[in-house]
Order: sequence, then structure tokens, then C-alpha cells
Amino acid sequence: DGGITQSPKYLFRKEGQNVTLSCEQNLNHDAMYWYRQDPGQGLRLIYYSQIVNDFQKGDIAEGYSVSREKKESFPLTVTSAQKNPTAFYLCASTEGPGLADTQYFGPGTRLTVL
Amino acid sequence: GQQVMQIPQYQHVQEGEDFTTYCNSSTTLSNIQWYKQRPGGHPVFLIQLVKSGEVKKQKRLTFQFGEAKKNSSLHITATQTTDVGTYFCAVRQGAQKLVFGQGTRLTINP
Repeated sequence: DGGITQSPKYLFRKEGQNVTLSCEQNLNHDAMYWYRQDPGQGLRLIYYSQIVNDFQKGDIAEGYSVSREKKESFPLTVTSAQKNPTAFYLCASTEGPGLADTQYFGPGTRLTVL
Repeated sequence: GQQVMQIPQYQHVQEGEDFTTYCNSSTTLSNIQWYKQRPGGHPVFLIQLVKSGEVKKQKRLTFQFGEAKKNSSLHITATQTTDVGTYFCAVRQGAQKLVFGQGTRLTINP
């Protein structure tokens, strides 16, 4: 079964702590993306990566960091510098490097900062 | 950067009624994508429109791309409870970015 997995589904963190969200895909897709979704809002791009060992900032990268050491993995770290991290985080991938291609989304991680 | 306005933000209908959401841009679009997100779920790709005036159908869903390629609509005929969710349009910004509309949240009274 091909797809994108994100873990954990729910995550609670204390203020001031860094936390890493996992995203793995077995679709052999080139590009991967992280979005943030707030209640009643659309999706905002945090970071994206078109190839291994390369990534670019999206619209709201401040307070976040990523790595792309393997094609199938694109973890996102929410640092303590992120002022309002409570949100729903979605990972996505596209077959080609173009972000405008069809996006395949993972199930998401709901992060709550206590 | 590319901005897209999606209306309405919310729509509540009786089961069996029709539903339409609109996506509008001030600039000409190269293409537009539509996604559906069920409550508590993740967005799922529905369709992509590329050509001016294009109309595509998926069962009870009809997607249109305006002649000027500045607007698009998604129409659902005779809604069913399975149609509940938020519908997003997404447009290309430059070569590398996809910008999502705010979404239209559809709720249905059975």
C-alpha cells in the first residue's frame, strides 16, 4: 500500500520545547512539503524540498526547520522560537519536483502546546 | 504573490439541495486544482482544470474554469451527507508554489 504516513497523530508539547514531526512516503515521489492549517483556515506552506539534501522556505518558515537526508523522509522540527505552534500539520508529496503538481497528503499531526 | 479568494466561507444546506463554491483571482491562472477535506481528515485531490472554459464532471460534481481563467466553480447537485467537508481551490504561484484558498466548509442537514 503506497502512501504518506505521519506520526504521531496527536502531539502535546510544553511551551519552550522543540518537537519533531515525522513524514515518510513510499510513493517514490521527488518533492515533499509541509503545510500548517489553523482552524477554519486554508493551508500555508512552511517548507518544501524538491530533491534530497535540498529544501526551500515557504511562506511561514520562521520557527521551523527541516531536513531531507533521504528521498522518502522529510521531518519537520517545530522549535521553541515558533510563537504559536498549536495547529494541524500536513505533509504532502508530488511525483515531480513541481509544487503545482497534484499534492498527495498524509493524515496530519495535530500539535497542541500546553 | 498570487492571491485567490474563495466564497462562501461556510454553507449549510438541506440534504438534496445543490451547493456551489467559487474561487476568484485578480490575475489569469495557468490552472486550478480542487481538493476536499473531510472533517478531521486531510485534503484529497479532486481535479485539475487547465483550459479556458473547461468543464469537467465527476458524478454529481461539476467543475468549471472561467473563459478568462480568473475564476472557477465547483457545483454539487443534490448533496448527500457524504459531501460534508471543506472544499479548497489551489492555484499555481510561479513555478514552484501552490496557493490554497481559504476553503468553503459545507455542512448538511439530513
